[in-house]
Amino acid sequence: AQSVTQLDSQVPVFEEAPVELRCNYSSSVSVYLFWYVQYPNQGLQLLLKYLSGSTLVKGINGFEAEFNKSQTSFHLRKPSVHISDTAEYFCAVIKFGNEKLTFGTGTRLTIIP
Amino acid sequence: EAEVAQSPRYKITEKSQAVAFWCDPISGHATLYWYRQILGQGPELLVQFQDESVVDDSQLPKDRFSAERLKGVDSTLKIQPAELGDSAMYLCASSDRGVGANVLTFGAGSRLTVL
Repeated sequence: AQSVTQLDSQVPVFEEAPVELRCNYSSSVSVYLFWYVQYPNQGLQLLLKYLSGSTLVKGINGFEAEFNKSQTSFHLRKPSVHISDTAEYFCAVIKFGNEKLTFGTGTRLTIIP
Repeated sequence: EAEVAQSPRYKITEKSQAVAFWCDPISGHATLYWYRQILGQGPELLVQFQDESVVDDSQLPKDRFSAERLKGVDSTLKIQPAELGDSAMYLCASSDRGVGANVLTFGAGSRLTVL
C-alpha cells in the first residue's frame, strides 16, 4: 500500500489565483511530513516540514501546509501563485520506527498567465 | 549556503557499459542517501549510509549496482552493466545527526540516459 498519495498528477492554475495540492498518507504510527519542490532538471528543494508542534506550517516562497491527523492529510496551499511557482511538488513522509523518507508520485503545478 | 555536490550532471551511455556517479555531501553530515527518480515518478531510495556503513540497501539491484562511501565522506554509485531501464535521475542527499537527521538536503542530480 502507498504510504503517500498525491491524487492530482497535474494542477493548472491561473496566475495570482490560490492553489491547493493534496497529499494523504497512510500510517498507524506517528509521522514526519514534508513538501519538496523540483524545478526542471534540478534536484529537490525543501519547501516546508512538519515534525511536531503547530499543525499549520509555513514554508518558503509563501507556501503553507496543515497537518490534519484525523484526515491523515498534509495539503499544500498558496493564496496567490506566480509564474515562477511552475514546478513539480512532492509530498513525503517518514514513519516513526522506519526512518525512511518515502515520496509520493508528485503533482505538476502549471501556472497559466 | 552549503550544498550537496553531484557529478556528472548529465551522462549518456550505451547499454552494457559501466557508469559511475559521485556525490559530496554537506560537510559534517553523517547520513548519505542515493535515490533514483524515473521520469514522472517520485524518488525511490536505493541506498542509505550512516558514516561509512550501509544501513539500508534493500532496493538496490545488487547484481548491477554498487555503492560505497569508504571514508564516510563522499560516495560513488556505480552501474555495470547499464540497461535501458536504468535511464533516470540519480539524486544524492545528506542529513545531519540529531534534530537535523530527518531533514534531507538534495543535490542537483545526475541524469542518466542509456541508449
